[in-house]
Order: sequence, then structure tokens, then C-alpha cells
Amino acid sequence: EAEVAQSPRYKITEKSQAVAFWCDPISGHATLYWYRQILGQGPELLVQFQDESVVDDSQLPKDRFSAERLKGVDSTLKIQPAELGDSAMYLCASSPGGMGTGRNEQFFGPGTRLTVL
Amino acid sequence: KQEVTQIPAALSVPEGENLVLNCSFTDSAIYNLQWFRQDPGKGLTSLLLIQSSQREQTSGRLNASLDKSSGRSTLYIAASQPGDSATYLCAVQLNTDKLIFGTGTRLQVFP
Repeated sequence: EAEVAQSPRYKITEKSQAVAFWCDPISGHATLYWYRQILGQGPELLVQFQDESVVDDSQLPKDRFSAERLKGVDSTLKIQPAELGDSAMYLCASSPGGMGTGRNEQFFGPGTRLTVL
Repeated sequence: KQEVTQIPAALSVPEGENLVLNCSFTDSAIYNLQWFRQDPGKGLTSLLLIQSSQREQTSGRLNASLDKSSGRSTLYIAASQPGDSATYLCAVQLNTDKLIFGTGTRLQVFP
């Protein structure tokens, strides 16, 4: 069964360092999402891609976070510099179709657990 | 602004009980609603998706209902088992495909 892949699974870093997370969506899925989940809370959308274009990054802290999906397939989320408050689970999800297609059930990867010391 | 609330926040029950988890949302203009399961330190597993035109969906021992007009959904788990222990998250999907999540119900089923 096809799955969303993420790496690394765990990352420990010191504040002010740079970190990067990678996501490979299910093959053929047009839409890719990055969510952040703080312990004890539900996930919150950081950025949404339709193919290689950003369609929603309203909750992405753009002074330190960046995301790209250059060829419309896999994606990288970067934090520079990391802060203590960035400690969280970073989840990637994908869905088959674009907005309004009705093929929008989201499938999640295993996540990357980030700890900032 | 859409807000999603889940009650109770935590639940501990003996094996075999039938359970109801509640989810409420403030804006009825949703595209669909999904229920997810999350094991500790893991990603999310989709359990059920209910389109806005539907009233319920069933999968095995799980049944989810949706009442858009009242802004409510319930997840019914029949004959609970220790393996059902996890956090259950409800999420509403907007017409932009964005998911808005509740904070979850942490379920423990003991033998």
C-alpha cells in the first residue's frame, strides 16, 4: 500500500541551528501539506502546495520557515534559525486531486519529531 | 473563524464498552469531516471521511455521523478493545482542502 514518506523521524538540534525535513507524497498526489502539531494539540496547517505552487502559507512563520516543492513531487521544509518554541511534530500529508475536485482525502506520513535544546 | 472542539478530552473504559466521542464545529460551511486515529509519537491514520452531503459512514466497529446544521459529529466505537487505545482527532475540511483539527480525545481501554 502506498504511503507518505518522511525523514528524518527524529531530530534534535540546538537553538539558532538550521534544520530541514523531507517529505515524499503518495505517487500521483497533486496536493501536499505540511502541518505542525504541538504536544497535546491538534495539527495546524503550515503550508499547502498544489503541484509546485503554494496555495496557502498564511500560518507559516516566514521569517524563519521556508518550504519548497520544486518539481511538484517531494518537498522540503526548512527552519533557520530554530527556536525553542519550534519543538513539535511536523507532519506531511498528501491528497490525490486539487481544490474542488472532491478527491481530497488526506493521507499522513509518520511525522518528524523535532526537539530544540 | 472555524473552531473545532472535542469532548471529552480523555476517556478510560473497560474492554467491551460501547463509546461515543463528540466533535463540534462553529461554522457549518464545511466540505467534509474526517476522523483520525493517532498512536503516541506516530502520524495520523484516517478512520472515516464523511462528505458534507452524507449523514454517516461505517467501517467495521466504527460509525461516524454528521449533522452539519447543528455543527456536530460523533464517532461511535462498538465493543471497545485494548487495541483501540489511542488519541482520536476530528477535523473539518474547508473548500480550500485545509483541515481544521480539534485537540483530540485520548482513549484508554483497559482489559
